[in-house]
Amino acid sequence: DIQMTQSPSSLSASVGDDVTISCRASQDISNSLAWYQHKPGKAPKLLLYATSRLPSGVPSRFSGSGSETDYSLRISRLQPEDFATYHCQQYYGTRTFGQGTRLE
Amino acid sequence: QGQLQESGPGLVKPSETLSLRCTVSGDYIGTFYWNWIRQAAGKGLEWIGRMHIRESPDYNPSLWSRVTISLDTSKNQISLNLNSVTAADTAVYYCARGYGNFDLWGPGTLVTVSS
Repeated sequence: DIQMTQSPSSLSASVGDDVTISCRASQDISNSLAWYQHKPGKAPKLLLYATSRLPSGVPSRFSGSGSETDYSLRISRLQPEDFATYHCQQYYGTRTFGQGTRLE
Repeated sequence: QGQLQESGPGLVKPSETLSLRCTVSGDYIGTFYWNWIRQAAGKGLEWIGRMHIRESPDYNPSLWSRVTISLDTSKNQISLNLNSVTAADTAVYYCARGYGNFDLWGPGTLVTVSS
């Protein structure tokens, strides 16, 4: 399996901050990477796919970048509703996820 | 936009079979790929497997010997059976739509394996 290592595991920030979360794959995943936002008791929400593509309805303050094994999610100008856990996921091979980053 | 809702027993005994259903509203299940994903406490999400009406199911190699995913088009439901469960199978179980990435999820259902 392709291992996904996400960092940091938790992150403290304030409304208005810019934050970056990283995700490293154990092999080249050719931009086959998605990010999800997850709030307790709720359905996870797809934020980005194919590294940097935003699904309809996702605010443009979310952005993604990366290539080969290293990827990142950037949230600009944090809003109160952005405090959640974020997961990366690769779909180059058998689907695997990172351990999650709690943004608090 | 469709909606997904998982349902099933919240408590399963060790060595027994965990059986869950995911009811889909707003989409016809024959159109998309459907997945089961789980998250144990303190751990990351784990993909269990995927099903499409016109294809054979695809399972995570770590679970394939114990998993069965099936579709019921008459009820618009996706089912998950996981046999010979242990405490390590205690988790929140989610159904999700998609092939590579997952663009629609249910809120999840907690299943505890305990005697």
